[in-house]
Amino acid sequence: NAGVTQTPKFQVLKTGQSMTLQCAQDMNHEYMSWYRQDPGMGLRLIHYSVGAGITDQGEVPNGYNVSRSTTEDFPLRLLSAAPSQTSVYFCASRRTGNIPETQYFGPGTRLLVL
Amino acid sequence: GENVEQHPSTLSVQEGDSAVIKCTYSDSASNYFPWYKQELGKGPQLIIDIRSNVGEKKDQRIAVTLNKTAKHFSLHITETQPEDSAVYFCAASSTGGGNKLTFGTGTQLKVEL
Repeated sequence: NAGVTQTPKFQVLKTGQSMTLQCAQDMNHEYMSWYRQDPGMGLRLIHYSVGAGITDQGEVPNGYNVSRSTTEDFPLRLLSAAPSQTSVYFCASRRTGNIPETQYFGPGTRLLVL
Repeated sequence: GENVEQHPSTLSVQEGDSAVIKCTYSDSASNYFPWYKQELGKGPQLIIDIRSNVGEKKDQRIAVTLNKTAKHFSLHITETQPEDSAVYFCAASSTGGGNKLTFGTGTQLKVEL
C-alpha cells in the first residue's frame, strides 16, 4: 500500500491564482481530512469527509473548497490564493467506527503564496 | 469545542536521559489521545495512543499516562536517542465530536550527544 499520497510536494502561487492540492489513499478509508500546519499553531482542520459525497467544514475552512467523488480521492481547492494561505498542508485518512481509529497522514504540500 | 494545550514548546535533553511532554484538554467527553512524531519534511506519524478506559500504556521506550480527573495526559520517552529528535504533537478527540482530532501546538525535542 502507498498509504496517503499528496501532490505536488511544493508550489508557488501568486495572489489571486487558483490551484488544487491532490490527495489520494489506497486503504479504503471512509474518513479523509485536510489540515494546515503553521509555526506555533499545530495542525488545524480545514475540511473533512466521512465518505464519498459527504463533506463538512473544520476549524479554518474559509478560502478552501473540497469535494469527495470517490472513496480514494479528496482534493483541496484554493479558488483565489492569498498570502495568508502560505502554509504546509497535510491530508489524512482513517477508518470510521464507533471507536476512534488511527489516522494516517500524507507527506504534505508546501505552499507559498506571493 | 475541544482545546488542547501542550508544554513545553521546546525541550532539549542529553542522550540517555528521559523526556516528558505534557498536554491538557478541555472537553471532558474526549476519550482518545494519540501522540504523533513529525520528522523534518515529513507528515506526522502515530507513535502511541491511549483510550480513556486505561491510565497508562507502554511501548518499549515510550509511555503515555492519562489523568481523566485532571484532564491531562503525558508522553514519556526513556533512554532518549538522537533519532528521537523531532516535533511531537498530542491530540484529543471524542466520539461525540465525530472523532475529529484537535491537536496541541507541538514540542520540538532535541536529543544532544
